[in-house]
Amino acid sequence: DVKVTQSSRYLVKRTGEKVFLECVQDMDHENMFWYRQDPGLGLRLIYFSYDVKMKEKGDIPEGYSVSREKKERFSLILESASTNQTSMYLCASISGGAGTYEQYFGPGTRLTVT
Amino acid sequence: DQQVKQNSPSLSVQEGRISILNCDYTNSMFDYFLWYKKYPAEGPTFLISISSIKDKNEDGRFTVFLNKSAKHLSLHIVPSQPGDSAVYFCAASGRGKTSYDKVIFGPGTSLSVIP
Repeated sequence: DVKVTQSSRYLVKRTGEKVFLECVQDMDHENMFWYRQDPGLGLRLIYFSYDVKMKEKGDIPEGYSVSREKKERFSLILESASTNQTSMYLCASISGGAGTYEQYFGPGTRLTVT
Repeated sequence: DQQVKQNSPSLSVQEGRISILNCDYTNSMFDYFLWYKKYPAEGPTFLISISSIKDKNEDGRFTVFLNKSAKHLSLHIVPSQPGDSAVYFCAASGRGKTSYDKVIFGPGTSLSVIP
């Protein structure tokens, strides 16, 4: 079974703090993603990575950065947290083979910025 | 402007009856469609998918229908069970740099199956 784990299930941070969200997958997947889920908006892609040290912006990258130093780990960084970044953050991975579309998701991190 | 729409935020169905969840899309370049199921406090899990070259795909109690001319797909669950109560996300994928980097998710439909 593919397993995608996220470092925290719940986080509460103050405005202006630097926040790190960690994601680890154990299936040697090449591609990893960070989404945020907000009511009525579905899942929106923040960043994705198709290889170590490679990253590409998704639809809403503003206010976020990412790091992928090892294949199994993909980190999302909020340089200076703001209240509008309060959300559910979901990490996902996919094998990357031709014709593969099914993503495997972690359990999510509920981040509250006060 | 949402490219993938799920116009019903919620749906209630009696146990044993059919659940029909609908999804509309606007971009004719989408060529692969997926449904994910999400329980509270868990990440979404893949449920079923369909390629644009097909109009139906079935997996047990779950069937997805695709009407390309109407840019519409639907997920049928027969018979519905209380364990099916969850949020269902429709997703569509087109051809970006890779086959998956343009996956667009709908806002979700919350299904409640009443015993």
